Amino acid sequence: QVQLVQSGAEVKKPGASVKVSCKASGYTFTGYYFHWMRQAPGQGLEWMGWINPNSGGTYYPQQFQGRVTLTTDTSIGTAYMELSRLTYDDTAVYFCARDVSLWFGELDYWGPGTLVTVSS
Amino acid sequence: QSALTQPRSVSGSPGQSVTISCTGTSSDVGTYNYVSWFQQHPGKAPKLMIYDVTKRPSGVPDRFSGSKSGNTASLTISGLQAEDEADYYCSSYAGSYILVFGGGTKLTVL
Repeated sequence: QVQLVQSGAEVKKPGASVKVSCKASGYTFTGYYFHWMRQAPGQGLEWMGWINPNSGGTYYPQQFQGRVTLTTDTSIGTAYMELSRLTYDDTAVYFCARDVSLWFGELDYWGPGTLVTVSS
Repeated sequence: QSALTQPRSVSGSPGQSVTISCTGTSSDVGTYNYVSWFQQHPGKAPKLMIYDVTKRPSGVPDRFSGSKSGNTASLTISGLQAEDEADYYCSSYAGSYILVFGGGTKLTVL
């Protein structure tokens, strides 16, 4: 069965970076794109971009360009999201999700989420 | 790219039907049939309920249905049940590799 398991909660200081992992199992890792989303407390979902695990190709929306880096390690079936220059507004739950329609947004499996708290 | 517009909240009684709208533009919902709907219970990850505007993943009850007219997509839940109370989000492909989400709708089952 398909599973996405994310790394544990993080507390970071403003200006620091955070790297969240998403380990996939139960299917061919390189066969599907990964998207990353975040959800600030009490807010909606915000899309952060996608990565093609087969090629390493990525796309970031403008508001995250230069601050987000998506990578994968195909040897261990794990996707990563690194966010730099953290501010208090980056406090959120971060989700990874598998896309079965290339990059078109059919997100059929999601990780449970990783809470990142930015606090001084 | 602006977020899709959803009502903040909707409500209905058990057994009734409710419809949640998701309004975009001719650059996203109006052009592409890549609209998805997600259900999210508190503290949980979103769950895919509808994809490609009208398709249901395996295991999703047929009480959930999707449609689209022009720049607006809709999710209809018929025969409301208590467990349907959750937040619902729409998303759409917006061209040029971009995905956009709606702001979310809180469904209350009275």
